[in-house]
Amino acid sequence: DIQMTQSPSSLSASVGDRVTITCRASQGISNYLAWFQQKPGKAPKSLIYAASSLQSGVPSKFSGSGSGTDFTLTITSLQPEDFATYYCQQYGSYPLTFGGGTKVDIK
Amino acid sequence: EVQLVESGGDLVQPGGSLRLSCAASGFTFSSHWMNWVRQAPGQGLEWVANIKQDGSEKHYVDSVKGRFTISRDNAKSSLYLQMNSLRAEDTAVYYCTRDFSMGCWGQGTLVTVSS
Repeated sequence: DIQMTQSPSSLSASVGDRVTITCRASQGISNYLAWFQQKPGKAPKSLIYAASSLQSGVPSKFSGSGSGTDFTLTITSLQPEDFATYYCQQYGSYPLTFGGGTKVDIK
Repeated sequence: EVQLVESGGDLVQPGGSLRLSCAASGFTFSSHWMNWVRQAPGQGLEWVANIKQDGSEKHYVDSVKGRFTISRDNAKSSLYLQMNSLRAEDTAVYYCTRDFSMGCWGQGTLVTVSS
């Protein structure tokens, strides 16, 4: 199974900050990587697919990069509605697997 | 509007069975792989199973193989998960999602396995 390791597991940031979350795959997955945002009590929301493609309707403040084993999600100009938990997910091989999540809260 | 609506979650005793449903609308259901993903209370996300557009190919996470069965009815735009021999560790919110990259999610349905 491919293990997805996210770092950090949590971070504190201020409104207006630029935040970067990393996701490392235990094996190469090309660009078969997605990112999700989840708020408490809600279903996850898709942000990015194919490592760097923005889902329709997602603001351009979210961006993704990487290929192979190392990926990043960057959020620019953090706003109150961006405080949430973020997950990466690989779909390069079975079983599909998720990272453990990164909780972004207010400093 | 693309929509996925899960139903069927309930409180069930260990060893029991439950069938979850997911009703899809707003897109051509028969053109997409579909998944079930679960989230135990306070935990992360876990992919459970998926099924090809025509139902000819199915995949499962090891922990549910032999106990869960994914199926679909394209005429009804519906996805199903038959869960047998349920265990306490199957307690979770179960989400229906679309495509390998999971671009669309339902609101989830809660399954609680407890005596």
